[in-house]
Amino acid sequence: DVKVTQSSRYLVKRTGEKVFLECVQDMDHENMFWYRQDPGLGLRLIYFSYDVKMKEKGDIPEGYSVSREKKERFSLILESASTNQTSMYLCASSPLGGLDIQYFGAGTRLSVL
Amino acid sequence: SQKIEQNSEALNIQEGKTATLTCNYTNYSPAYLQWYRQDPGRGPVFLLLIRENEKEKRKERLKVTFDTTLKQSLFHITASQPADSATYLCALRPTGTASKLTFGTGTRLQVTL
Repeated sequence: DVKVTQSSRYLVKRTGEKVFLECVQDMDHENMFWYRQDPGLGLRLIYFSYDVKMKEKGDIPEGYSVSREKKERFSLILESASTNQTSMYLCASSPLGGLDIQYFGAGTRLSVL
Repeated sequence: SQKIEQNSEALNIQEGKTATLTCNYTNYSPAYLQWYRQDPGRGPVFLLLIRENEKEKRKERLKVTFDTTLKQSLFHITASQPADSATYLCALRPTGTASKLTFGTGTRLQVTL
């Protein structure tokens, strides 16, 4: 079974803090994604990576950055957390050429106070 | 503009009945369309995929139809059970884009006894 593991289920941070969300997948997938999910807005793509050190902006990259130094790990960074970044963050992975079926982690619920 | 629309109102049905969920899209040319299930506080889980040249796909009690003329996919759960209660998301990958999916906002299904 594909496993996508997000490092934290719940996080509480203060405004202005630097926040790291980590995601690890164990199926050697080339593609990895970070989404945020908010009520009424659905899943919105923040960043996408198709290879180590490669990244592509999604629909809402502002206020976020990413890092992919190893194939299995994709990190989302909030440089200076703000209250409007309070959300559910979901990581996903998919194999290259695999009909783009995505495998999701359990999510990190981040609260920025 | 491009849109994927799912009914934002919850669908309440009685156990044993067939649940039908709708996904409509505009200004997309999807290569294929996927359906995912999401339980509260969890990440989405892939259920079914249907290609643009397929009319119908089945898997156990699940059936998906795809009408590219109407720009609509229907997702059916026959003989529904309380365990089917969840939010169901449709996602499409437009033709000519690599790897990225665009998700609908999801429809919550509640199956009661």
